[in-house]
Amino acid sequence: AQSVTQLDSHVSVSEGTPVLLRCNYSSSYSPSLFWYVQHPNKGLQLLLKYTSAATLVKGINGFEAEFKKSETSFHLTKPSAHMSDAAEYFCALSGSARQLTFGSGTQLTVLP
Amino acid sequence: DAGITQSPRHKVTETGTPVTLRCHQTENHRYMYWYRQDPGHGLRLIHYSYGVKDTDKGEVSDGYSVSRSKTEDFLLTLESATSSQTSVYFCAISEGSRELFFGEGSRLTVL
Repeated sequence: AQSVTQLDSHVSVSEGTPVLLRCNYSSSYSPSLFWYVQHPNKGLQLLLKYTSAATLVKGINGFEAEFKKSETSFHLTKPSAHMSDAAEYFCALSGSARQLTFGSGTQLTVLP
Repeated sequence: DAGITQSPRHKVTETGTPVTLRCHQTENHRYMYWYRQDPGHGLRLIHYSYGVKDTDKGEVSDGYSVSRSKTEDFLLTLESATSSQTSVYFCAISEGSRELFFGEGSRLTVL
């Protein structure tokens, strides 16, 4: 069975400081991994994806994530937080029938 | 934005009544999914479809059924709604790549 664990349910950062959202996964085969963002009362928007190419993946809005097989991690980072980054973030793992298994989410708060 | 429309966007119903949520896509994507989102649980897969009349169960399928008679439409039915089915329901679609594109969600309240 595969699973995704987001290690923090809430993260608070000050505007202009770095963001780190942590995600660990468990999979019996080579995974495809995703980060999605959800703003209030909206659907999920893809930030970035890893599909066995480069281990450092760049996404939209300055976010990037690094796939580390030895640590079974796929942490999301951004060098400098912006107020508009405040949202909920979901890490997800692709399964055999192309369905995604999601983590429980991390709520990011950006303080002025 | 992917052409995905969910209807209704909001619904309040009573325990024991049937409810159908509709997902309509204009992208001609083969795969369609229904997820529910609840606080602390992220999104959990209810059912998915890999073609017309081809569907399968997900992680939380009890109490739900689906139908897909056309490529563009994927219906989720709660035969007899219960309060535990109060949730936000998301439809998603997928094609060649493994990424999913999501609709705006349907908020269901069962009283």
